[in-house]
Amino acid sequence: GAVVSQHPSRVICKSGTSVKIECRSLDFQATTMFWYRQFPKQSLMLMATSNEGSKATYEQGVEKDKFLINHASLTLSTLTVTSAHPEDSSFYICSARPATSSSYNEQFFGPGTRLTVL
Amino acid sequence: RKEVEQDPGPFNVPEGATVAFNCTYSNSASQSFFWYRQDCRKEPKLLMSVYSSGNEDGRFTAQLNRASQYISLLIRDSKLSDSATYLCVVIHAGNNRKLIWGLGTSLAVNP
Repeated sequence: GAVVSQHPSRVICKSGTSVKIECRSLDFQATTMFWYRQFPKQSLMLMATSNEGSKATYEQGVEKDKFLINHASLTLSTLTVTSAHPEDSSFYICSARPATSSSYNEQFFGPGTRLTVL
Repeated sequence: RKEVEQDPGPFNVPEGATVAFNCTYSNSASQSFFWYRQDCRKEPKLLMSVYSSGNEDGRFTAQLNRASQYISLLIRDSKLSDSATYLCVVIHAGNNRKLIWGLGTSLAVNP
């Protein structure tokens, strides 16, 4: 089956630093990737939709200048949390929709990145 | 009101029990429905799609009631390995086909 990797799986950083998270589709091409955030005991919340070669579409309330998304190739999207603060500590999950998919729900999820900002 | 609502539980059941979860959605234009399973600190995994006629996959049965706007998941003969959070997911036509996630219902199957 389709595999999506995320790196790093866990990161601890100091307040004010920037953190980059990579999402890769390993055996398929993904024109669309999604970035989610999940706080403890909360639902997954879509942050942004990333389309290869174009600007990401951010959900209401998500600061595009704080959460920088780059989708430079069909297999890689990155999320950079700039000037991270403790309230940004969360579980960040990406998913990728295959370029050949005809189903809107066909998304393959990465294993997630747990970010802790001290 | 949340777009997708679920009872967070937790549901504690013994092995072998039958357990049912419900989920309600607010947007009548919703067109696709799913149940996902999420283990602690892991990514969600698709359990099954939900069809109007109802569908079954082994011990799992999903039902959709469009008139009442709710979806159900029935698990028969619960196993210890069924312990997880079950997430109800909805897609509606007018929202760029985004997945709208419920909060999840926590299930603990006890020996």
